[in-house]
Amino acid sequence: GAVVSQHPSWVICKSGTSVKIECRSLDFQATTMFWYRQFPKQSLMLMATSNEGSKATYEQGVEKDKFLINHASLTLSTLTVTSAHPEDSSFYICSAPTGHQETQYFGPGTRLLVL
Amino acid sequence: GQQLNQSPQSMFIQEGEDVSMNCTSSSIFNTWLWYKQDPGEGPVLLIALYKAGELTSNGRLTAQFGITRKDSFLNISASIPSDVGIYFCAGQLGSGGGADGLTFGKGTHLIIQP
Repeated sequence: GAVVSQHPSWVICKSGTSVKIECRSLDFQATTMFWYRQFPKQSLMLMATSNEGSKATYEQGVEKDKFLINHASLTLSTLTVTSAHPEDSSFYICSAPTGHQETQYFGPGTRLLVL
Repeated sequence: GQQLNQSPQSMFIQEGEDVSMNCTSSSIFNTWLWYKQDPGEGPVLLIALYKAGELTSNGRLTAQFGITRKDSFLNISASIPSDVGIYFCAGQLGSGGGADGLTFGKGTHLIIQP
């Protein structure tokens, strides 16, 4: 299957700081990538769609000014959690579609802990 | 928004037993996918289904895309210890094209007793 990487794999930060998470497609290009959030013992929830060359689209209830998304190239999307608070602590996972049917492959996730 | 109802929530089985789980939706999806997630990791794709009625196998795993496009099931035959984990169904409105994010079920936690 296709390979998607994320960096960092985990991060601890102080409340009020900003954190950037990278998502890379390693062996394919992706004009679209997706960001999901997963709280403990819960399912994945789609946060936003990252579009190369245009603005990201956000799901209802997700603050675009808090979760900044930049699709810098065909292999890289970044999610910046601005002014992070403890309630932003979660597992953030990206995915990218590839192949004839544009099947989505997921990165390994980034664990964010805001103190 | 769309919601997927996945059941059972958890399963406690003996090694070697077969496993069956399913997902239903009140809305139509044009693509159904099944993923497995181990603790602290991202979901790994098991099976992707693109056509209503499609039955697809991947080793000991078999999944079907319901005719109504509102349901799917996943079967695992002869379970082994490494099958332990959380299994998620996911639906996508688009049939390919990659433009749509996925809607996930709540997961089935598979536990295998020795």
